[in-house]
Amino acid sequence: GENVEQHPSTLSVQEGDSAVIKCTYSDSASNYFPWYKQELGKRPQLIIDIRSNVGEKKDQRIAVTLNKTAKHFSLHITETQPEDSAVYFCAASRGNTGKLIFGQGTTLQVKP
Amino acid sequence: GAGVSQSPSNKVTEKGKDVELRCDPISGHTALYWYRQRLGQGLEFLIYFQGNSAPDKSGLPSDRFSAERTGESVSTLTIQRTQQEDSAVYLCASSLTGFYGYTFGSGTRLTVV
Repeated sequence: GENVEQHPSTLSVQEGDSAVIKCTYSDSASNYFPWYKQELGKRPQLIIDIRSNVGEKKDQRIAVTLNKTAKHFSLHITETQPEDSAVYFCAASRGNTGKLIFGQGTTLQVKP
Repeated sequence: GAGVSQSPSNKVTEKGKDVELRCDPISGHTALYWYRQRLGQGLEFLIYFQGNSAPDKSGLPSDRFSAERTGESVSTLTIQRTQQEDSAVYLCASSLTGFYGYTFGSGTRLTVV
């Protein structure tokens, strides 16, 4: 069935370093890949998304790359700051329904 | 409204009781989703509404779970005869068309004791 694997489950970096979170998906019909940030006790918030017709998208310190052949996509955060500390979720969908299949999450800790 | 609103924010119930969780989507959003998030886990899809019809109910874990939606407005998720494994945060999301760009509510934290 549909599945999204996310790694690592926890990630600790020093402030200013880069962080990379990777996801693989099983459904080859997936064509939409959003990333959500969830701070403790709060709702998930969309931070960036990518559609299958592009290989990379950037928004300030955040970028996402997609390799459709290998069925994996990654989130890159540069110049990390303590306020980047949160749980990050990747997700995939076919787009025609919007039903998202989520990864298990990565807890990112940015140490000052 | 300005955002997706869910109520109650917290609910403690005794095992075996029924509960109703409410979601008010953003005005004009035709698509509405329910997800469940167990402690320390990812989000599990439960059900998707387009208007007041539910084209995808594949995530509902058992027949104790049901949901309905009035037009393109409020949705209620009902859990009958609650079990301890139902304890989780239930998140609702809405989007304009259903394809992209969800906005999540703050969730209802359900604790079954």
